[in-house]
Amino acid sequence: DAKTTQPPSMDCAEGRAANLPCNHSTISGNEYVYWYRQIHSQGPQYIIHGLKNNETNEMASLIITEDRKSSTLILPHATLRDTAVYYCIVRAEKLTFGTGTRLTIIP
Amino acid sequence: GAVVSQHPSWVICKSGTSVKIECRSLDFQATTMFWYRQFPKQSLMLMATSNEGSKATYEQGVEKDKFLINHASLTLSTLTVTSAHPEDSSFYICSARYPGVGETQYFGPGTRLLVL
Repeated sequence: DAKTTQPPSMDCAEGRAANLPCNHSTISGNEYVYWYRQIHSQGPQYIIHGLKNNETNEMASLIITEDRKSSTLILPHATLRDTAVYYCIVRAEKLTFGTGTRLTIIP
Repeated sequence: GAVVSQHPSWVICKSGTSVKIECRSLDFQATTMFWYRQFPKQSLMLMATSNEGSKATYEQGVEKDKFLINHASLTLSTLTVTSAHPEDSSFYICSARYPGVGETQYFGPGTRLLVL
C-alpha cells in the first residue's frame, strides 16, 4: 500500500472548519484514500473515502487533487467531540495505519 | 452505518491462561475480518487477516500458534490469546470488511486485555 504523510498535530477553534492534509505521492491507480479517526480508547471510526472525485457525507468532505498525490479532509464546523487522531490511509487490500494527525479542538 | 461489536470490552486474566475475544458484524456479512493490536501511545498494528472458512493469514512477526483465529461464520471471528503473558497486555481491535464498492472496513470498539 502507498505510504502517507500527515502533520503530527493540529489545533482548530471550535465552530471553525478543520482542514487536515495528507500526502500520498506514491498512490497507484486502483488505491482508495480512506480517512478514519480514533477517539481515545475506542476503535477507529470510518469517516469517508474516495478514489479520484471529491466526496461529501454527513461527517466530512474529502478533496483529492487531480493528480491524486494529496488530499484534504474537511470537518466543516468542528466541535469538541471531533478531538481525535485522524488517519489518512491509502489501501488496495489492507489498511495500514501510520501515526496520523492529532487534532485538538480548542473551545 | 455498519456495526461491528466485540466481546468482552475488557478482560483481566492470570499469566498462563487463554483468553478468547469475539468479533461480530451485526448487520452485514463479512467474508473477511481483521485483527489489530494497539499498545499505549502507538498506532494500530495489523496482526492477521481472517477469512471465513479458511485459515487466517498472519503478518510477519505474529505467532500463529499464540494468536489463534477462527472465522467460522460470515458474522463471527474469534481471536484466542493462548498462554497469555504480561507482554500480551494490549488493546485488541477487530474490523470487518463491508461488501461492495470500496469494501470499507468497519471497526469494533476494541477489547482491553490485562495479563497479570
